[in-house]
Amino acid sequence: DGGITQSPKYLFRKEGQNVTLSCEQNLNHDAMYWYRQDPGQGLRLIYYSQIVNDFQKGDIAEGYSVSREKKESFPLTVTSAQKNPTAFYLCASSKRSTSARTDTQYFGPGTRLTVL
Amino acid sequence: AQSVTQPDIHITVSEGASLELRCNYSYGATPYLFWYVQSPGQGLQLLLKYFSGDTLVQGIKGFEAEFKRSQSSFNLRKPSVHWSDAAEYFCAVVFYNQGGKLIFGQGTELSVKP
Repeated sequence: DGGITQSPKYLFRKEGQNVTLSCEQNLNHDAMYWYRQDPGQGLRLIYYSQIVNDFQKGDIAEGYSVSREKKESFPLTVTSAQKNPTAFYLCASSKRSTSARTDTQYFGPGTRLTVL
Repeated sequence: AQSVTQPDIHITVSEGASLELRCNYSYGATPYLFWYVQSPGQGLQLLLKYFSGDTLVQGIKGFEAEFKRSQSSFNLRKPSVHWSDAAEYFCAVVFYNQGGKLIFGQGTELSVKP
């Protein structure tokens, strides 16, 4: 089955630790995205990547880092610099995303990160 | 700044009643419009989308939405709600020439009374 997988589903971290969230897609999509969801605030874009080995900051990139070494994978690292990392994190992908047009974004099941 | 507004944070309807969820977006270039649904603790599922053409679009699970450019709106409707429709609904917009960045509304939580 084609789709987007995120792991783990639940993640607990101590303050001061970095943690990496996994996102894998087998849809052959070029573009991938990371969103953060907090209650009552909708979804906010952290980082996005339109092509392998390239990525751009979204609206709330501070305290996060990403890499895009493979088309299928777009891991997100939550660093100790992120002041309030407890949230639900959603990964998405789309066929392509250029300045001129966009394709539908499809979402993974999410990872809930809790900082203890 | 470009934005999306869902005026209703929480709506309760009776099972079998009709439903309309409101969505307004700020003026911008040509919009591409989406409605997603999210069950608790889950990812987002696409209900329907509007890119161009007929302004009344049909989606999954019996939902439809109408794009009204003059009102900058893209309201979601369903003629008869089922208990399984209880979830959170998000409207989202991408503007032409904005690099495919989805802008989300804050969401509307739908509760269904028996």
